[in-house]
Amino acid sequence: NAGVTQTPKFQVLKTGQSMTLQCAQDMNHNSMYWYRQDPGMGLRLIYYSASEGTTDKGEVPNGYNVSRLNKREFSLRLESAAPSQTSVYFCASSAGQGTGNTIYFGEGSWLTVV
Amino acid sequence: LAKTTQPISMDSYEGQEVNITCSHNNIATNDYITWYQQFPSQGPRFIIQGYKTKVTNEVASLFIPADRKSSTLSLPRVSLSDTAVYYCLVGDKGSLSSGSARQLTFGSGTQLTVLP
Repeated sequence: NAGVTQTPKFQVLKTGQSMTLQCAQDMNHNSMYWYRQDPGMGLRLIYYSASEGTTDKGEVPNGYNVSRLNKREFSLRLESAAPSQTSVYFCASSAGQGTGNTIYFGEGSWLTVV
Repeated sequence: LAKTTQPISMDSYEGQEVNITCSHNNIATNDYITWYQQFPSQGPRFIIQGYKTKVTNEVASLFIPADRKSSTLSLPRVSLSDTAVYYCLVGDKGSLSSGSARQLTFGSGTQLTVLP
């Protein structure tokens, strides 16, 4: 039972480079999320997709774009990476939109921008 | 929106019971209270969820007073492996409006350190 799978696990980028973080869930969940977590901090929401075909900005969307490719997949793209985007990125999913639904997280993607 | 407040950190010793309290004064009628645990280098994972009174599962208990303005996560007989950050989230299971997206943001949580 894979749950939420995200790739890559580790990535080093040069400033200005672009990359896409991939995420897939096999729990038939409607809602998916991208968070970032900086050292010693809580998780901040970047974007979320309440259901297939919809995406909305979270708390810190600047510098990112997302695509809800289908019900299973939700990708996060950095168009022009900046050192401030060095962080751990977590993809997550839940059956429904409300936070009363259990949120399941992937293992994280460690991104360093130099 | 129901904002939550938790202590930043707590220390305990192995074998003790640990209680972490979360304040959520503006909790709405439809809101559930959910606790997550996060180990270093891992994503948070669900521990327990409740709506009112007391909920118990194999790892923890959740106590919610009648006014639901706070909740207490209770970890019985902690071990070194319980050292982690614990987050309290409040929200409902229904549709989110764009303005309530902040509910999906986890606060800084409570760093629990279990000492030998």
